[in-house]
Amino acid sequence: RKEVEQDPGPFNVPEGATVAFNCTYSNSASQSFFWYRQDCRKEPKLLMSVYSSGNEDGRFTAQLNRASQYISLLIRDSKLSDSATYLCVVKGFQKLVFGTGTRLLVSP
Amino acid sequence: GAGVSQSPSNKVTEKGKDVELRCDPISGHTALYWYRQSLGQGLEFLIYFQGNSAPDKSGLPSDRFSAERTGGSVSTLTIQRTQQEDSAVYLCASSFFVQGGEKLFFGSGTQLSVL
Repeated sequence: RKEVEQDPGPFNVPEGATVAFNCTYSNSASQSFFWYRQDCRKEPKLLMSVYSSGNEDGRFTAQLNRASQYISLLIRDSKLSDSATYLCVVKGFQKLVFGTGTRLLVSP
Repeated sequence: GAGVSQSPSNKVTEKGKDVELRCDPISGHTALYWYRQSLGQGLEFLIYFQGNSAPDKSGLPSDRFSAERTGGSVSTLTIQRTQQEDSAVYLCASSFFVQGGEKLFFGSGTQLSVL
């Protein structure tokens, strides 16, 4: 089983739609959780951290469910510029482990 | 500059040759990571440094791969006797710790092509 698993997608949504991604992790001792965004042929960039209480940053909401070992990302009112690959990242004892990413395509 | 710098940005080499990839982290960042990413694939963890020591080398694919970090700053990833399957983008990231956890900043990567 992979340490971090994501649905690769792609998720095709129209502008203005709400879309949600989930990510599961296998190490119950994982300590920190993040969502990164990666545009085509670019390096990943931090989108937001994921806190136990859940957190929101504008149109983006992240949730953590430790009991079920998954994190989620909700994007409201999708924009064309949201088209990218969204990477779930989990930190265990030492290293940061990336999921393979979920590709989002927002169309006009 | 203020970001993570990697060099070269592109490297084309022949099978069997050695290559050295360099990463200049953000000043003051104590943690440094190497990942690689093949086309259309996710990020594969290679090695993690805390200061000059590497507490986790578990991702290095074979003994042809090695990495070091000196002065708590610059890191080099060396691949000996390159093979075609080594072709990928090699990404370096440095990080610092804030409330809420660790935040990574990536360089733009080295595109390695082994012919």
